[in-house]
Amino acid sequence: AQTVTQSQPEMSVQEAETVTLSCTYDTSESDYYLFWYKQPPSRQMILVIRQEAYKQQNATENRFSVNFQKAAKSFSLKISDSQLGDAAMYFCAYRSKTSYDKVIFGPGTSLSVIP
Amino acid sequence: DAGVIQSPRHEVTEMGQEVTLRCKPISGHDYLFWYRQTMMRGLELLIYFNNNVPIDDSGMPEDRFSAKMPNASFSTLKIQPSEPRDSAVYFCASSLGPLNIQYFGAGTRLSVL
Repeated sequence: AQTVTQSQPEMSVQEAETVTLSCTYDTSESDYYLFWYKQPPSRQMILVIRQEAYKQQNATENRFSVNFQKAAKSFSLKISDSQLGDAAMYFCAYRSKTSYDKVIFGPGTSLSVIP
Repeated sequence: DAGVIQSPRHEVTEMGQEVTLRCKPISGHDYLFWYRQTMMRGLELLIYFNNNVPIDDSGMPEDRFSAKMPNASFSTLKIQPSEPRDSAVYFCASSLGPLNIQYFGAGTRLSVL
């Protein structure tokens, strides 16, 4: 069974600085999706970025980018020029392409942004 | 589109009462998912539907939980009778096709006293 681990329960970053959130996963599959979701205090789960495992190029979305290391099964999220609105829980998630309906979430990392 | 709509946002009830949570998926989406989020267990998939048909309910904790999707635009998650350990945030999500992004509602925070 697939698992997703986020080893940093809490992180903080100074406004305008860069922070990296870690995620590792375990799978025997070769093709799959990885996601980062953001959950602000409003509780809404918002998709931040998505990566397909067969694509070697790291996904980017404005200030958000990932470092996808397939061999190491690592999928970290880098937030550049951090803003106060980035403060939230961040969840790393895995989605198989064979048992394709289910998404497996990590335990989350709480990010604080210091003004 | 207004996104996935859940109601109510907050529900407080007493142990033993029936609780019904509601979800309206994004129009045109054919997959609907119910999740539960707790501090102890994180985000867990309870059940999901494809074209209104329940596909996998293996995540439903016990018989007190039931979910229905009478049509493409509405789903309910019912707990009867409710217990304090059911206190959690319940999310509904929908997607177009199995491989596409799941869009989440704002969740319902349930407190069972």
